[in-house]
Amino acid sequence: QVQLVESGGDLVKPGGSLRLSCAASGFTFTGYYMAWIRQAPGKGLEWISYISSGSSHTNYADSVKGRFTISRDNANNSVSLQMNSLRGEDTAVYYCARVQGTWQFDYWGQGTLVTVSS
Amino acid sequence: SALTQPASVSGSPGQSITISCTGTRTDVGGYNFVSWFQLYPGKAPKLLIYDVSNRPSGVSNRFSGSKSGNTASLTISGLQPEDEADYFCSSYTTSTTLVFGGGTRLTVL
Repeated sequence: QVQLVESGGDLVKPGGSLRLSCAASGFTFTGYYMAWIRQAPGKGLEWISYISSGSSHTNYADSVKGRFTISRDNANNSVSLQMNSLRGEDTAVYYCARVQGTWQFDYWGQGTLVTVSS
Repeated sequence: SALTQPASVSGSPGQSITISCTGTRTDVGGYNFVSWFQLYPGKAPKLLIYDVSNRPSGVSNRFSGSKSGNTASLTISGLQPEDEADYFCSSYTTSTTLVFGGGTRLTVL
């Protein structure tokens, strides 16, 4: 069955960096775009980024553009999110999701918590 | 900016409720790429509806979706206690990005 497992969440100081990873299994990883989505405490979901199956196409929300970088390792069935210049408003649970067909996030991980605080 | 959803809705067991999701012609109104998700605290979000009105395999037919103009809707019929959760809509946009709604807390009375 499809499984997505995020890791790397931690407490980090403002201005710091963190790298999140998502290990995928149970499907042909190279056949799908992948995405990162977050939910700040008490807030709604926010799409952060997606990456195409061959890494040629990426896109970012304006709130993270220039600070976050998405990448994937098709040999190891994983997708990562490098987060730099972190701010308090980046505090959230970060989810990895598979993108199916017409922009459906059809499978999600359980999320990993990132806390940005001094 | 985020799609607009009511902050909360409620209903009694057996009743039907509808959650709206209002955007603009650059997102909801421009594409039939609207999805709905169910979230329980601490669990992975679950896709309920995609492409406005399609249900993934395994999702109860008590969940249905529709769209009119810039507003999409999720209807849950025959409310059950386990439907109490947060519900979010999402849409593709003309900027080739994705946008979510602010979320709706469903309370089953």
